Amino acid sequence: AQSVTQLDSQVPVFEEAPVELRCNYSSSVSVYLFWYVQYPNQGLQLLLKYLSGSTLVKGINGFEAEFNKSQTSFHLRKPSVHISDTAEYFCAVTSWGSSASKIIFGSGTRLSIRP
Amino acid sequence: DVKVTQSSRYLVKRTGEKVFLECVQDMDHENMFWYRQDPGLGLRLIYFSYDVKMKEKGDIPEGYSVSREKKERFSLILESASTNQTSMYLCASSRGPDTQYFGPGTRLTVL
Repeated sequence: AQSVTQLDSQVPVFEEAPVELRCNYSSSVSVYLFWYVQYPNQGLQLLLKYLSGSTLVKGINGFEAEFNKSQTSFHLRKPSVHISDTAEYFCAVTSWGSSASKIIFGSGTRLSIRP
Repeated sequence: DVKVTQSSRYLVKRTGEKVFLECVQDMDHENMFWYRQDPGLGLRLIYFSYDVKMKEKGDIPEGYSVSREKKERFSLILESASTNQTSMYLCASSRGPDTQYFGPGTRLTVL
């Protein structure tokens, strides 16, 4: 069975500081990994994804994540955050060859940016 | 531009009412999903469908049913609404195991 753990439920950061949101997963098969962002009063939208190839993935709004198979992690990073990055961030995993294409979501990390 | 729409952004119903939440996607995706989102619990899968008239239970199907008569439309039904079904409901669609595209959500309050 697959699972996703987001280690921090809330992360407060000062504007222009770097941030890392942590995500660990467990799976017995090869995986696809995703980060989604949810701005207030909106649905989720894709930030970035890892399907195959380079383990460093770049997404929208200056975010990037690195797939680390040995540590089963997919941490999200941004070198300098902006007020507009205030949102909730969800890590998610699904598996190759999954006929039903279910995605397992983490419980979310709320990123709050202080001026 | 891809689009998933949900019939209502906000809905208020009374206990015992039958509630229909509609979701439409315009991307010809075979997979569609219904989630509920509650503070501290993240997204929990209620039901999903991988083809017309096909459905599978997710993690919390009790008290819900679904209908998918056409590829683009996936409906969530609360047969007899209860106060513990007050929540944010999110619909999504995808092609295979790739990116899920989400609607804006329906915030349902059951009084």
